[in-house]
Amino acid sequence: QSVLTQPPSASGTPGQRVTISCSGSSSNIGSNYVYWYQQLPGTAPKLLIYRNNQRPSGVPDRFSGSKSGTSASLAISGLRSEDEADYYCAAWDDSLSGQVVFGGGTKLTVL
Amino acid sequence: EVQLVESGGGLVQPGGSLRLSCAASGFTFSSYSMNWVRQAPGKGLEWVSYISSSSSTIYYADSVKGRFTISRDNAKNSLYLQMNSLRAEDTAVYYCARTDSILFDYWGQGTLVTVSS
Repeated sequence: QSVLTQPPSASGTPGQRVTISCSGSSSNIGSNYVYWYQQLPGTAPKLLIYRNNQRPSGVPDRFSGSKSGTSASLAISGLRSEDEADYYCAAWDDSLSGQVVFGGGTKLTVL
Repeated sequence: EVQLVESGGGLVQPGGSLRLSCAASGFTFSSYSMNWVRQAPGKGLEWVSYISSSSSTIYYADSVKGRFTISRDNAKNSLYLQMNSLRAEDTAVYYCARTDSILFDYWGQGTLVTVSS
């Protein structure tokens, strides 16, 4: 069971906006930055959002992140078929001696 | 271009040992902290271990503490993971991932470790 909680699945049709939630606690999301990673089928994960809401160069502005208290969200607008992937949130956890915790992952299906 | 290339995976019996390597290029390796992250077949990501740029700070996940040892050789631009007393539940793809002020900003392609008799 993962320390951060994500819904196992999400779906949407092309052009729609979908959000993926990530719930934690005061020792992880509540006191540290949240990061989001995208893992396309058969590939390594890729950084999608860093420091709660920053996009690395090359990541489309259709992807956005937010954080409030001990929860965070990833929003994808203008959904495209190539967005079908697994999405993971992560954060440092102050209660676990420097350990990093992940969410269980959300499989996004584009219908 | 940042590149991280893992090697050393394979099939090992329960209780056995394996040493993974990660060759880094395209950036100043000695300036960055590094991590190992694993993914069991069909499962999510699990952070395994962290090492600071000078090796002065090291962290392990509880699941591998006492069995795995992370190390690095900045002269060789290489990261290592010595895995001992391997168990079936250690079966996974192991990724090395760079960290500085941004967590896991670059990942390698992974190397598969299978623990089975």
